[in-house]
Amino acid sequence: AQSVTQLDSQVPVFEEAPVELRCNYSSSVSVYLFWYVQYPNQGLQLLLKYLSGSTLVKGINGFEAEFNKSQTSFHLRKPSVHISDTAEYFCAVRNTGGFKTIFGAGTRLFVKA
Amino acid sequence: GAGVSQSPRYKVTKRGQDVALRCDPISGHVSLYWYRQALGQGPEFLTYFNYEAQQDKSGLPNDRFSAERPEGSISTLTIQRTEQRDSAMYRCASSPTGRLAGDNEQFFGPGTRLTVL
Repeated sequence: AQSVTQLDSQVPVFEEAPVELRCNYSSSVSVYLFWYVQYPNQGLQLLLKYLSGSTLVKGINGFEAEFNKSQTSFHLRKPSVHISDTAEYFCAVRNTGGFKTIFGAGTRLFVKA
Repeated sequence: GAGVSQSPRYKVTKRGQDVALRCDPISGHVSLYWYRQALGQGPEFLTYFNYEAQQDKSGLPNDRFSAERPEGSISTLTIQRTEQRDSAMYRCASSPTGRLAGDNEQFFGPGTRLTVL
């Protein structure tokens, strides 16, 4: 079985500052890793995914994430955030042989002017 | 093109009533998933369809919950004899490929907010 832990429930940050949203997972099998963003009153939207290969993954809206197998982490980063990045971010994991996606509890990012 | 749609967007019902939540996936998508999302939590897997076949229903909490996708397109999640603890956001997602493609992207609908009084 897999599990996902998002270490911060809320992250306040000033506009144009860098941000890191932390995610750790546990799994006994190989996994794919995902970050989703949820804007108010909208469905979840895929930001980026790690399937294999390079451990640094670039996604939409200037976000990137780094897969660290030894630390079982998949932290999300952005070097300079905008007000429009205010949203909830979910880390998720799925084993490579299946379809059931396990989501973390989410991190609410507040970007302040 | 049209994304995943869900109806109703909001549903308020009294305890003991049955409710049916509808999901209209992206046209041609093979896979369909139902999730439940409690306030302050991430989506929790309920069930999965590959075309019309319900291939996993291990996440359905009890036998009051059921789902169908009779023609491999629109799906309905039904909750019988609703209880207050059923209150949550119910989300549907679809994917273009089947279960063997573990990396397939899920496209989520806006959800149905269910409130049981």
